[in-house]
Amino acid sequence: QLVESGGGLAQPGGSLRLSCVASGFTFSSYWMNWVRQAPGKGLEWVARINQDGSEKYYVDSVKGRFTISRDNAKNSVYMQMNSLRAEDTAVYYCARGFGIIWGQGTVVIVSS
Amino acid sequence: DAVMTQSPLSLPVTLGQPASISCRSSQSLVYSDGNTYLNWFQQRPGQSPRRLIYRVSNRDSGVPDKFSGSGSGTDFTLKISRVEAEDVGVYYCAQGSRWPYTFGQGTKLEIK
Repeated sequence: QLVESGGGLAQPGGSLRLSCVASGFTFSSYWMNWVRQAPGKGLEWVARINQDGSEKYYVDSVKGRFTISRDNAKNSVYMQMNSLRAEDTAVYYCARGFGIIWGQGTVVIVSS
Repeated sequence: DAVMTQSPLSLPVTLGQPASISCRSSQSLVYSDGNTYLNWFQQRPGQSPRRLIYRVSNRDSGVPDKFSGSGSGTDFTLKISRVEAEDVGVYYCAQGSRWPYTFGQGTKLEIK
């Protein structure tokens, strides 16, 4: 199971930190991902991190603004979101591996 | 980036009839390890995505055998042998052979 939190309303240029807590599997054995879905739109793979946090990948649209990290002792993966833009408004999902398990999502709204 | 193009984007189907969704990639999805990382996801209204098929043709645990995937290289297909009311939703193909992972636009299946 994956449970996301940390979404909310942020102003353009502001920051939010998303969290995802995992349970029911050996968290430290899996790549973890953040995928987002803008209102009424399709899915976009945002970032991924390997098992020990030494490899991180980002989609171009968030490079330099978002940072993915993980804490295997807490079974958690995070997304620090800085310099937020209106186009970052979306439901953000945490997913294990290549989408075998998904959380319920957390809503991020960027608006003044 | 590998652009994933699905067709049709809207798919009205009569209950009990088959359905087929095409997914085409702008680049070969054969990875250096010889595998093809093409997955299919279902997103029912108001729900998180759920993976149905991984690596082209492998059904995930608990997925009914009415769902089947096929294809190779750049052309892939998801088939539903007999559509039921519970199959209503949006279906996405996604490639995980090269970063950034990318989704198709989605195909909305509805009951005619």
